Amino acid sequence: GAVVSQHPSWVICKSGTSVKIECRSLDFQATTMFWYRQFPKQSLMLMATSNEGSKATYEQGVEKDKFLINHASLTLSTLTVTSAHPEDSSFYICSAHRGEGQPQHFGDGTRLSIL
Amino acid sequence: AQSVAQPEDQVNVAEGNPLTVKCTYSVSGNPYLFWYVQYPNRGLQFLLKYITGDNLVKGSYGFEAEFNKSQTSFHLKKPSALVSDSALYFCAVRPLITGGGNKLTFGTGTQLKVEL
Repeated sequence: GAVVSQHPSWVICKSGTSVKIECRSLDFQATTMFWYRQFPKQSLMLMATSNEGSKATYEQGVEKDKFLINHASLTLSTLTVTSAHPEDSSFYICSAHRGEGQPQHFGDGTRLSIL
Repeated sequence: AQSVAQPEDQVNVAEGNPLTVKCTYSVSGNPYLFWYVQYPNRGLQFLLKYITGDNLVKGSYGFEAEFNKSQTSFHLKKPSALVSDSALYFCAVRPLITGGGNKLTFGTGTQLKVEL
């Protein structure tokens, strides 16, 4: 149980395009979803916390207009990187949390490469 | 603010030998503690957690971790390492308070390399 699906797994696109990444909890309802960014050989950096039906809470230094988060249901959150540029290239990982005392369950990540 | 330290960037161990990956933490109040493993180009897989109770926690794939409150440590261990255990390991913490938002603070990760 506790499967989180993240799509796409790999995206290569031109500078200036917008990219949408989906995160779904397949077999449980997630009270909260999280979006992380990971640079090579580094730890995860929390970008934002997303609760269903409310606005996402962004971490300091993360541009909310650049990284749009929509949490449409208890099983789906999306991250849209708007007008992406090469510096946005990274590994983006989502996680879903189903309740107090439970671990976060992670998707397999999305490798984003902006040319 | 909470923090997690993983003092070793890399740990090398021979297959069949015991392994330890170290983690110390700092948090206000009692902690939730977690270990995750990451294989290349994949997300994180949950290994085990400590919330309350027994200080020795057993998790997936034969891993275990010992919570030591006085030393604020939560080291990951396995009695006999396998080559397939080679991966990046993350320790994470969050405070045990309601309304804490469930945000985790991760360590910088330790690359485990198990050799034949």
